This record gives sequence, C-alpha cells and structure tokens, in this order.
Amino acid sequence: DTEVTQTPKHLVMGMTNKKSLKCEQHMGHRAMYWYKQKAKKPPELMFVYSYEKLSINESVPSRFSPECPNSSLLNLHLHALQPEDSALYLCASSQAAGGIETQYFGPGTRLLVL
Amino acid sequence: GQQLNQSPQSMFIQEGEDVSMNCTSSSIFNTWLWYKQDPGEGPVLLIALYKAGELTSNGRLTAQFGITRKDSFLNISASIPSDVGIYFCAGQSNTNAGKSTFGDGTTLTVKP
Repeated sequence: DTEVTQTPKHLVMGMTNKKSLKCEQHMGHRAMYWYKQKAKKPPELMFVYSYEKLSINESVPSRFSPECPNSSLLNLHLHALQPEDSALYLCASSQAAGGIETQYFGPGTRLLVL
Repeated sequence: GQQLNQSPQSMFIQEGEDVSMNCTSSSIFNTWLWYKQDPGEGPVLLIALYKAGELTSNGRLTAQFGITRKDSFLNISASIPSDVGIYFCAGQSNTNAGKSTFGDGTTLTVKP
C-alpha cells in the first residue's frame, strides 16, 4: 500500500467556522507533512512531523493547528481562516524526516474560505 | 534559501512528440525528484534520483541527475494526451533535512 489518503476532498467554510482536515497513511512512514498549494504554484511546506513530534513549523499563522495523534494519522485544525487561505492542502509522508527521503503525496483537500 | 529554476514554464506539443524539461539550482542537491500533478490532485512521484550522474527510466520517462549536482532533466518520449499536467522538480539536500525545494513547474499540453 503506497497510498496517502485525505478527507474531505472538498471543503467550504466561513471565516468563523472551525473545521479539520485529515490525512492517513499505512506505509509505516514516520514523517508526515502538510503543504499548501495555490493554483499553478508549487507546494509550500507548512509543517513537518517526525516520529509524531512537530519538527518544522514554517512560520504558519496560528489559525492553522496541526496534530499528529499517532504515526499513521495527521490532522490540520482550521479556525478563523481568511479568504486568502483558500488553496489545495496536501498531506505527504516519508520513511523519516532526518535525511534524504522521498515524499509521497495525498490527493489533497480543496479548501474554499468565504 | 535554495531556489530552483525550472524551464520551460509551459509547453504545447503534438501527440507523439518528445518533451524535455529541466531544473537548475545555484546550490547542490543530494536528491532530485520529479512529480506530475493532474488538476485537483496531489503530485505523483515519477522518478527519484539519488546519485550524481544517475540516469533512470520509468516507461517513456527518463530523468538524469546532473554531474554537478545542481541540475536535472526529465524527458518524455512519444507523448500521449494523458501526459497533460504540471511537472514539478524537487531537490533535497542533507543540510536541509525534511524539506524539499520545488521548481515552479512546467505545464504540458498535448494536442491529439
């Protein structure tokens, strides 16, 4: 199984809503990532979890809150988002995050903030 | 920070033609990755390169890790309509563990 799954596929939320994005992998990978991608742009790294601990936070606003409940799951909690946060949110995983590791991406959640 | 220059930005080709795209960097990478992304989907890994000079094929795709470790190219032979999409290169270095630097992408359009 070389699949990273993400739910929901699409999400529309208001600026006062609280919602969560979910990501799951069963490849035994110990590193998981959140990326944000705007149309026709490359993915931008947001967070990296290594062995269920947050190892990289790329100065992401606090309205985005990541959580790694276990080695297979990664959540991104959203609260008080802005319209400019509308984007494709991608989850990825790799064997580990300590060196050169090939990352495998999920299909993404298309988020629209109204 | 590290930056990648990916070119061309876009390509419009006829079905059956060969395609070539490349990425260059001012700094050294230890790994080069090539991804393809379809609209509304996540990037799918096509080829991973781990060694300078390495030439790797995956079906009609061939990619090479430049000898200087500062560049990589991807070739697609005999293009077909389903090759349409955005192709991203990504580089990783030992000094920036956990982070991939992405190129801006090459948008490929194939006319039947």
